[in-house]
Amino acid sequence: GENVEQHPSTLSVQEGDSAVIKCTYSDSASNYFPWYKQELGKRPQLIIDIRSNVGEKKDQRIAVTLNKTAKHFSLHITETQPEDSAVYFCAAAFNFGNEKLTFGTGTRLTIIP
Amino acid sequence: EAQVTQNPRYLITVTGKKLTVTCSQNMNHEYMSWYRQDPGLGLRQIYYSMNVEVTDKGDVPEGYKVSRKEKRNFPLILESPSPNQTSLYFCASSLSGTGGVDEQYFGPGTRLTVT
Repeated sequence: GENVEQHPSTLSVQEGDSAVIKCTYSDSASNYFPWYKQELGKRPQLIIDIRSNVGEKKDQRIAVTLNKTAKHFSLHITETQPEDSAVYFCAAAFNFGNEKLTFGTGTRLTIIP
Repeated sequence: EAQVTQNPRYLITVTGKKLTVTCSQNMNHEYMSWYRQDPGLGLRQIYYSMNVEVTDKGDVPEGYKVSRKEKRNFPLILESPSPNQTSLYFCASSLSGTGGVDEQYFGPGTRLTVT
């Protein structure tokens, strides 16, 4: 089955700096890669996703890049703000076949004011 | 309001006492899923359902059962709970059925403690 590895497990950055979280996946058939943000005591919420027919997607301060050859994808947050502090999870799934969504183990991001 | 609801939100029980955690969504979503969240292990999928009467195992199905008799409901059943099932459980739903996985909307979570 699919295996998703996520690094780092914790990350602290100064407010205003950029943060990058990386994930690798094992199943070359995976073609859907979402990122979820979970604030303390809250439910996970989708912040951005990418499908395998594109290499990059951007939404304001958040971007995701995908390298299908290397089987890794990354979340980039620019101009970080205190409200970006949360746990971030990457995930991978193969659409139209085995619709299981496999999550990474999470990255706790702390923004230092 | 479009939402996924779970009940109960908190539950403390004893080993072996059967329990059910309910999950309901009012968005007419085809896909529903259960996850457990444990420190350092992230979110692991227990079971999922692509449509009514269609369920399939996720990565950690042992000790759990589900059913999907109606589109809106997807209960999680622990026939004989054990302490290693102490966890935070999330139900989620998404619009896609046979169309595959897309954005999942999570319920508020159920914190289960088995003593």
